[in-house]
Amino acid sequence: GESVGLHLPTLSVQEGDNSIINCAYSNSASDYFIWYKQESGKGPQFIIDIRSNMDKRQGQRVTVLLNKTVKHLSLQIAATQPGDSAVYFCAENSKNDYKLSFGAGTTVTVRA
Amino acid sequence: DARVTQTPRDKVTEMGQEVTMRCQPILGHNTVFWYRQTMMQGLELLAYFRNRAPLDDSGMPKDRFSAEMPDATLATLKIQPSEPRDSAVYFCASGFGTGEAFFGQGTRLTVV
Repeated sequence: GESVGLHLPTLSVQEGDNSIINCAYSNSASDYFIWYKQESGKGPQFIIDIRSNMDKRQGQRVTVLLNKTVKHLSLQIAATQPGDSAVYFCAENSKNDYKLSFGAGTTVTVRA
Repeated sequence: DARVTQTPRDKVTEMGQEVTMRCQPILGHNTVFWYRQTMMQGLELLAYFRNRAPLDDSGMPKDRFSAEMPDATLATLKIQPSEPRDSAVYFCASGFGTGEAFFGQGTRLTVV
């Protein structure tokens, strides 16, 4: 079946370093790819998204890269801070059926 | 400050009891999602609506779960009868069906 999944369940990063979180997807019909951040006890919070006709999008300290050839999505966080410690999810959405499906999540821990 | 509102925030109930969770989507959003989150299964899509019509509820156990949108300002998720394995955090999210969706704070359900 079609699914969205993450390569690694956990990531430990030194404060100030850059973080890279990866995600594989299998639904070639997806139109949007979205990254969410979830802190303990809270709902997922939107970080950044990218449309399928783009390969890169930048936000504040974050960059999302999309490689449709290998169906791979990544989130790069520059100068990681303690407040970046959370679980990160990639999600995909298709305008054909409006479904929003999530991958398994990567736990990011920032070391001081 | 527009946000998705879920009630109750926490619910403890005995096995066999009926549980109703409520969600007020962001005004103007036409797509509403219900997710269940556990450590083992991540974020599972249970059901979603577009313009109040159910599009897909294949993620829900049909014999005990039901989801409805009585009007544009209210979505409900009901479990009857509840079982210990239903213990999880249930999230509601709303959006326009393409791209990001905004999440509520969730309802933490414990069935004893």
